Amino acid sequence: DIQMTQSPSTLSASVGDRVTITCRASQSISSWLAWYQQKSGKAPKLLIYKASSLESGVPSRFSGSGSGTEFTLTISSLQPDDFATYYCQQYDSYSLTFGGGTKVEIK
Amino acid sequence: EVQLLESGGGLVQPGGSLRLSCAASGFTCSIYAMSWVRQAPGKGLEWVSGISGSGGNTYYADSVKGRFTVSRDDSKNTLYLQMSSLRAEDTAVYYCAKSRGTTTVVTDYWGQGTLVTVSS
Repeated sequence: DIQMTQSPSTLSASVGDRVTITCRASQSISSWLAWYQQKSGKAPKLLIYKASSLESGVPSRFSGSGSGTEFTLTISSLQPDDFATYYCQQYDSYSLTFGGGTKVEIK
Repeated sequence: EVQLLESGGGLVQPGGSLRLSCAASGFTCSIYAMSWVRQAPGKGLEWVSGISGSGGNTYYADSVKGRFTVSRDDSKNTLYLQMSSLRAEDTAVYYCAKSRGTTTVVTDYWGQGTLVTVSS
């Protein structure tokens, strides 16, 4: 199975900061990588698919990049609504796997 | 409007069985890949099982293979997860999710989740 490793596991940042989260795959997954945002007690929300495609309705401050085994999610200017946990997910094979998550906290 | 409504969660003893349902509306379940994803209390997301759109091929995480069965009733537009030989480590909120398109498995819509607690 493909393993996904996210870093950092926790990130403290202020409103307006540029934030970057990294996700590494244990083998190449081409661009079959998604990013989700999850708030406490809620279902995850799709932000980015195919590594860099922005889901409809998601603010443009979110962007994704990478291919192969290294991927990043960037929030260009952190907003109060963005404090949440973020997960990457590979879908190269149907044994879908998630990263361990990155909690973005208020500094 | 796309909606997914899970039901069937509850308290079950170790070794017991439970069937989760996910009623879909606003789209035709049979032409999309559907997934079950779970989240143990305070933990991250874990993909559990999936079923393809056309053909209905099924897929399972190693942690549930042989114990869980995913199925779909196209007449009811409903997805199911039959869980047996339940263990304490199966305790989690279980979400069903719809794929973003008919040729992909990345999920866009999720239900609100149903809690399964395995405990004596």
